[in-house]
Amino acid sequence: DAMVIQNPRYQVTQFGKPVTLSCSQTLNHNVMYWYQQKSSQAPKLLFHYYDKDFNNEADTPDNFQSRRPNTSFCFLDIRSPGLGDAAMYLCATSEADSGANVLTFGAGSRLTVL
Amino acid sequence: GQNIDQPTEMTATEGAIVQINCTYQTSGFNGLFWYQQHAGEAPTFLSYNVLDGLEEKGRFSSFLSRSKGYSYLLLKELQMKDSASYLCAVRDSNYQLIWGAGTKLIIKP
Repeated sequence: DAMVIQNPRYQVTQFGKPVTLSCSQTLNHNVMYWYQQKSSQAPKLLFHYYDKDFNNEADTPDNFQSRRPNTSFCFLDIRSPGLGDAAMYLCATSEADSGANVLTFGAGSRLTVL
Repeated sequence: GQNIDQPTEMTATEGAIVQINCTYQTSGFNGLFWYQQHAGEAPTFLSYNVLDGLEEKGRFSSFLSRSKGYSYLLLKELQMKDSASYLCAVRDSNYQLIWGAGTKLIIKP
């Protein structure tokens, strides 16, 4: 089945220790997104790629970086995680020219910062 | 500013019907989405409305009134597995997706 896969599902890190989260997709969608979601809150868009074009949200901290080496893969790097970065990180994809442009989400990576 | 309002929490009984409301104020409108999110899991797509009226999909229906900035998700014949958060999201004129914080639905036997 075509899908969006995130690794790891659970990540525990220490304050200030870099973390990389990965996302892969077999849907061949041209748009990939990274969202941060804290408990009982709306998902917050960090950035997205339209093909290779990177789009950073204005309020995304510099501590967060992203890479999309090819259509299928996207990475989220958190350079120096703080306690406030503990959250669920959701990767999503969509086909921008598909009308409704529905997002398909991965299962998420839950980050704990000690 | 842009805003999506939905109730924080609702409780309903197994087998009953529940309506979850969503009101929005956004810069333009290019569609409204409902997603279901079980605790600790990713959101999954439920419905999409871009024109006024009711869209029915099995036990779930979604209604939209663009003039009122209002939508609702109607869940019929509730099952215990419907216990989840329901997220309303609106695509604005810049094709940005504005998300609500979600409504936590608790189903009781």
